Amino acid sequence: AQSVTQLGSHVSVSEGALVLLRCNYSSSVPPYLFWYVQYPNQGLQLLLKYTSAATLVKGINGFEAEFKKSETSFHLTKPSAHMSDAAEYFCAVTSSGGSYIPTFGRGTSLIVHP
Amino acid sequence: NAGVMQNPRHLVRRRGQEARLRCSPMKGHSHVYWYRQLPEEGLKFMVYLQKENIIDESGMPKERFSAEFPKEGPSILRIQQVVRGDSAAYFCASSPPSRQGNYGYTFGSGTRLTVV
Repeated sequence: AQSVTQLGSHVSVSEGALVLLRCNYSSSVPPYLFWYVQYPNQGLQLLLKYTSAATLVKGINGFEAEFKKSETSFHLTKPSAHMSDAAEYFCAVTSSGGSYIPTFGRGTSLIVHP
Repeated sequence: NAGVMQNPRHLVRRRGQEARLRCSPMKGHSHVYWYRQLPEEGLKFMVYLQKENIIDESGMPKERFSAEFPKEGPSILRIQQVVRGDSAAYFCASSPPSRQGNYGYTFGSGTRLTVV
């Protein structure tokens, strides 16, 4: 079985501040982990993914995430928030065995203040 | 190279009517996945289909919901006798048959169903 937990349904930051969105996973086999972004009234767009090649993963729009096995975490960060980063962010997990169907977290809404 | 196409973008149905949601996968993709998004609940897996075959429907409600992916044409998610609780955004993703667990799925823009 696999699952993800996203801590905080809403995160509010000021423009230029650090963005930190938390994701913890549970998986009985080595996981593959993903972050997706959803802008209002749009579909999900892949930001980045962890596939065991490197624990620090860089994605689009300046985002990155670090896989920490000991903490079962895959938190998403960006050094400096931009107004255009305001969106819903979803963490997802698939496992190295099985049907590879992603399981998503509940999402975190990022609010960026000027 | 078009992405995953869903239509309609918005659909309004009265209680008791039928809703038909369409999903055309990316070119070369033969696997389709349907998800439902309710406010504050994230995306919930509904069904996974290959052409002419349902692979996993563990997330589908037992009644009123059905899905198909014919040899020709788009995948269809059908909801019969809609109720207000069916109001949600429905998203479709597709993948090639060779995808592994590290595959990053591509999603369509969704169909937002409103039941009045």
